[in-house]
Amino acid sequence: KAGVTQTPRYLIKTRGQQVTLSCSPISGHRSVSWYQQTPGQGLQFLFEYFSETQRNKGNFPGRFSGRQFSNSRSEMNVSTLELGDSALYLCASSFFRGGTDEQFFGPGTRLTVL
Amino acid sequence: AQSVTQLGSHVSVSEGALVLLRCNYSSSVPPYLFWYVQYPNQGLQLLLKYTTGATLVKGINGFEAEFKKSETSFHLTKPSAHMSDAAEYFCAVSPQGGSEKLVFGKGMKLTVNP
Repeated sequence: KAGVTQTPRYLIKTRGQQVTLSCSPISGHRSVSWYQQTPGQGLQFLFEYFSETQRNKGNFPGRFSGRQFSNSRSEMNVSTLELGDSALYLCASSFFRGGTDEQFFGPGTRLTVL
Repeated sequence: AQSVTQLGSHVSVSEGALVLLRCNYSSSVPPYLFWYVQYPNQGLQLLLKYTTGATLVKGINGFEAEFKKSETSFHLTKPSAHMSDAAEYFCAVSPQGGSEKLVFGKGMKLTVNP
């Protein structure tokens, strides 16, 4: 069974640009969560999608948005990039939500903002 | 709000020595607790989790953790460290009833010396 895949793995952008990151969950998984990992702030929850609906949202500005498609694939978008947005963005999927299901993490997309 | 404290950021042990990584949480209700491991340039992998029931939880790679409600702790241990255990370890907590929105500790980098 293929794991969670994230594309691209590495990305370099400049301030003010926007970026879209993609996440393909494990086949059959319907819940997708996104996290930002930085050396200073550690791992922080961005948002979670289930059945194409955002169910949870972390404390991030509106520049961060996401969506989920009918096949459970998810994208997150960051507009008007700032230097502080440089981070590893991790996607995680699980079969259910509201339970004890394990979240399976992808390898992440490393975003560098110059 | 729930939070997780992992004191220190780095621990170094000798191969064969005991590994002890500390985790304390704050929560008004018994949470779900998790330990994840992250190897360089990879996503997170679940080591073990506590939801309900037995307070001593065994995970993969010989790790185990004990949930102590009175101490609000969930320390991770392994009797004998192996070189392959060198990685970063994260303790995480989630609200009762779901694992989609994890609150992570700052992480602990484990170095294993030969």
